[in-house]
Amino acid sequence: QQQVKQSPQSLIVQKGGIPIINCAYENTAFDYFPWYQQFPGKGPALLIAIRPDVSEKKEGRFTISFNKSAKQFSLHIMDSQPGDSATYFCAASNSVTGGGNKLTFGTGTQLKVEL
Amino acid sequence: DGGITQSPKYLFRKEGQNVTLSCEQNLNHDAMYWYRQDPGQGLRLIYYSQIVNDFQKGDIAEGYSVSREKKESFPLTVTSAQKNPTAFYLCASNERNTGELFFGEGSRLTVL
Repeated sequence: QQQVKQSPQSLIVQKGGIPIINCAYENTAFDYFPWYQQFPGKGPALLIAIRPDVSEKKEGRFTISFNKSAKQFSLHIMDSQPGDSATYFCAASNSVTGGGNKLTFGTGTQLKVEL
Repeated sequence: DGGITQSPKYLFRKEGQNVTLSCEQNLNHDAMYWYRQDPGQGLRLIYYSQIVNDFQKGDIAEGYSVSREKKESFPLTVTSAQKNPTAFYLCASNERNTGELFFGEGSRLTVL
């Protein structure tokens, strides 16, 4: 059972555009929602994360919007640049369970920002 | 510099052979994880360990084995029982019960 659904699978935008990547989750016990960025041949790196007590979080050009009632969250990249071209993964976890902070990842979105 | 070191970066294996992927961290993290990455499937958890000498199965543990004899090391063995082992393997670590996962640069295993 896939617990975090991510869309779209791939996305192409022009430089300066605002790509939006969406994720939906099923487990209402999830309380931590990070986004990871991965460049080819490298491991993912944390980009930004949110907890369900806020509806939006901004860090630089990256914004997470969170809708608890709809069980959805999204990543917006303002003024996108070619250097933002990468694969983006959303993830979710339940930090309360005794099993540590096991993240469940979405299937990833390949973003290409064209000049 | 602190971080996670995975080796080898590329590995080729014949069918029927076991292979061990190395993961070492100098971040003094309690928890370590192994993920498998396949195109279009995201990252799937194989095994994780929250403390030395203890580990738990993740979502796709069949055909894999791990050990955690030292805090800084968490090697993964891909056994001949793993039916489709060709993949990109990622090791990660974090402080137990905290958020950010730190990843290594991965090991790409190809079974010939």
